[in-house]
Amino acid sequence: SQQGEEDPQALSIQEGENATMNCSYKTSINNLQWYRQNSGRGLVHLILIRSNEREKHSGRLRVTLDTSKKSSSLLITASRAADTASYFCATAPFQGAQKLVFGQGTRLTINP
Amino acid sequence: NAGVTQTPKFRVLKTGQSMTLLCAQDMNHEYMYWYRQDPGMGLRLIHYSVGEGTTAKGEVPDGYNVSRLKKQNFLLGLESAAPSQTSVYFCATARGTGGWGEQFFGPGTRLTVL
Repeated sequence: SQQGEEDPQALSIQEGENATMNCSYKTSINNLQWYRQNSGRGLVHLILIRSNEREKHSGRLRVTLDTSKKSSSLLITASRAADTASYFCATAPFQGAQKLVFGQGTRLTINP
Repeated sequence: NAGVTQTPKFRVLKTGQSMTLLCAQDMNHEYMYWYRQDPGMGLRLIHYSVGEGTTAKGEVPDGYNVSRLKKQNFLLGLESAAPSQTSVYFCATARGTGGWGEQFFGPGTRLTVL
């Protein structure tokens, strides 16, 4: 079963605007990761946030984690056309790890 | 370095035929995974391996078999293909330390079963 649930399923914004995607999960985690997938390609790792961290930055990306609410958000600032892709959260369960559980993704479209 | 490669990139099978998908990595990673991705869906784990000679079932293992005879290769087999196995298949690798880290993905194999 999929643990991560992304919201919204699809998001369309104008270039230059900020994009926010949310992920909720069900069980305790070791970490939560965000991946990007361009159309027809494999997934690319963006950022990893550990369960004892609350916020992490990487370039124009900002990820927050609220373990009490079992949720995370990915913020992309000053969006560009090249950011058009699907974004997936993946959780590493605290117990019985060795694998990630992926959500269904958010399809982001940046309009020029 | 090639990273993670998958062979073939595309394949069309008839129902009942068999085939093997090859995943190769040159990053010396311990963990390797096979996922399938259906339209508009996330990834579902089929089988995975935590090291040479080991395999384990994932979320959707039925109809698939795997082997990890060499550390750098992870094979996914379909013994008798069914239309429900039409999908895009991705291989991924990860370093050791419990499989909690970043995964590195191959470009995918698009499989159609008629």
